[in-house]
Amino acid sequence: EAGVAQSPRYKIIEKRQSVAFWCNPISGHATLYWYQQILGQGPKLLIQFQNNGVVDDSQLPKDRFSAERLKGVDSTLKIQPAKLEDSAVYLCASSPTGWEQYFGPGTRLTVT
Amino acid sequence: SQQGEEDPQALSIQEGENATMNCSYKTSINNLQWYRQNSGRGLVHLILIRSNEREKHSGRLRVTLDTSKKSSSLLITASRAADTASYFCATDPTSGTYKYIFGTGTRLKVLA
Repeated sequence: EAGVAQSPRYKIIEKRQSVAFWCNPISGHATLYWYQQILGQGPKLLIQFQNNGVVDDSQLPKDRFSAERLKGVDSTLKIQPAKLEDSAVYLCASSPTGWEQYFGPGTRLTVT
Repeated sequence: SQQGEEDPQALSIQEGENATMNCSYKTSINNLQWYRQNSGRGLVHLILIRSNEREKHSGRLRVTLDTSKKSSSLLITASRAADTASYFCATDPTSGTYKYIFGTGTRLKVLA
């Protein structure tokens, strides 16, 4: 079974630029999560999708972050404009039931 | 905000020894999970324990849950160098939403 795919793996941008991350979950997984993990901390949930609907986005900075999940499969997370404090690893996870999450390798974002 | 707080923050042991890490959380939970994160990689699910369970085993892993104290512990027996990683607990504080909150993590180093 193929795992969760994310791209790009690494991205370096300047502050005020925009960036987008892509996630392809495991086939058939209805729930998809985006997390932000700052160095030395645990992952922080940004947004949770159930199929193509948003379940929770209470911690998503909506003035600069946006996310969508097209047709309940792939998802993109966008940051516009980026700030220095957005430097982190962005993790995508999917789950068939909501119990166990399967994580992708993450995208490491550096904002200079 | 972080729901779970792991301690110790860092742990260094010799190969063959047992490693114990603890997680404390703040609100009632539906279940608690432990994840492992190797350096530079995504998280891997280790074990899930439900709120009505007190102990669970999986291979060399043993997890306990004390809901009265709002705490859990993860024991890794006969540790190996490959166990070197960060370990996170994740709690589902609201039944049915599968919105997990991760703790701050314990960095385990197993010396060969």
